Amino acid sequence: SQQGEEDPQALSIQEGENATMNCSYKTSINNLQWYRQNSGRGLVHLILIRSNEREKHSGRLRVTLDTSKKSSSLLITASRAADTASYFCATGTQGGSEKLVFGKGTKLTVNP
Amino acid sequence: EAGVAQSPRYKIIEKRQSVAFWCNPISGHATLYWYQQILGQGPKLLIQFQNNGVVDDSQLPKDRFSAERLKGVDSTLKIQPAKLEDSAVYLCASSLKAEAFFGQGTRLTVV
Repeated sequence: SQQGEEDPQALSIQEGENATMNCSYKTSINNLQWYRQNSGRGLVHLILIRSNEREKHSGRLRVTLDTSKKSSSLLITASRAADTASYFCATGTQGGSEKLVFGKGTKLTVNP
Repeated sequence: EAGVAQSPRYKIIEKRQSVAFWCNPISGHATLYWYQQILGQGPKLLIQFQNNGVVDDSQLPKDRFSAERLKGVDSTLKIQPAKLEDSAVYLCASSLKAEAFFGQGTRLTVV
């Protein structure tokens, strides 16, 4: 079963605008990760936030985590056409080795 | 550093036939995952290995799917017999700690 649920399912914005995607999950986690998938390709890891962290930055990416609400958000600032992709959150629940459970994803389209 | 290698990239088979996918993870990565991704959906974990032991195979349809990771390195995923609903992209990933590295996937079409 899938742990994370991304919202919205689809998002269309203009180049230069910010894009915000949300992820909700159900059970306790060790960490939450965001991945990007370009059409027809494999997933690429973007950023990881641990359960004891509240916010993390990496370049134009900003991730927040609220464990009390079991939710996370991914903000992409100053979006580019090359950011067009599907974005997935994955919850890591460590029980010997990291178990990664993915949500259904947000399809982001950045229009030039 | 070489990435996760998967083969073949594409496969078309008829229903009831068998098919096998191969994955070579990044050297030194103890954890190996197989995911099934149906078009428009997120990846669904089929099986997870830690070295050559199975950590989780709760969502693997064991009546038709099997996977092995001999010597804790390469892995194969087999489907026998295939059904139409098995049409999907099969993704292999490996990890050393928390971050997973994915291969390009094998796109399976069952006709």
